[in-house]
Amino acid sequence: GENVEQHPSTLSVQEGDSAVIKCTYSDSASNYFPWYKQELGKRPQLIIDIRSNVGEKKDQRIAVTLNKTAKHFSLHITETQPEDSAVYFCAASITGGFKTIFGAGTRLFVKA
Amino acid sequence: GAGVSQSPRYKVAKRGQDVALRCDPISGHVSLFWYQQALGQGPEFLTYFQNEAQLDKSGLPSDRFFAERPEGSVSTLKIQRTQQEDSAVYLCASSLAPGDSNQPQHFGDGTRLSIL
Repeated sequence: GENVEQHPSTLSVQEGDSAVIKCTYSDSASNYFPWYKQELGKRPQLIIDIRSNVGEKKDQRIAVTLNKTAKHFSLHITETQPEDSAVYFCAASITGGFKTIFGAGTRLFVKA
Repeated sequence: GAGVSQSPRYKVAKRGQDVALRCDPISGHVSLFWYQQALGQGPEFLTYFQNEAQLDKSGLPSDRFFAERPEGSVSTLKIQRTQQEDSAVYLCASSLAPGDSNQPQHFGDGTRLSIL
């Protein structure tokens, strides 16, 4: 079955710097890759997603890149702000399947 | 309208007791997912409903876990004879389209279950 690995587990950056979180997946049939942000004690919220027919997607300060050949995808946050501090999860799923497989999460700290 | 609602928010039970966790999805959402999230980990898939049909229950960890969605809206996750390893946050998510179309999922706040 699908396996998603996420790195780093913890990331600390200075306000205004960029943050990059990387994920790899094992099943080449995976074709949908959402990213979720989860603040302490709150629900995961979708922040951006990408499908396998595109290589990059951007939404303001957030971008995601996908390398299908290498089976990895990354989240890029530019101009980080303290309110970006949270746990970020990558995930992968396969069209025609019902499971979404999540990574273990990255705890991002943005220091003011 | 309102987002996904889960109740109770917190549940404490003694080992061996049965518990029932409720999920109210967004109105009109076809798909409903249950996940188990252990401390410091990502959500792990438990089961999936398309309307009232349970199409995938491969993630349920044992036959003590049972889920239903009899009328295609509200869902209940039941855990019988609870064990300490069942302690986790149980998340429910819904999406508008069938689950195999890979649409974004909307999560509830979860139920934090603690087994003593």
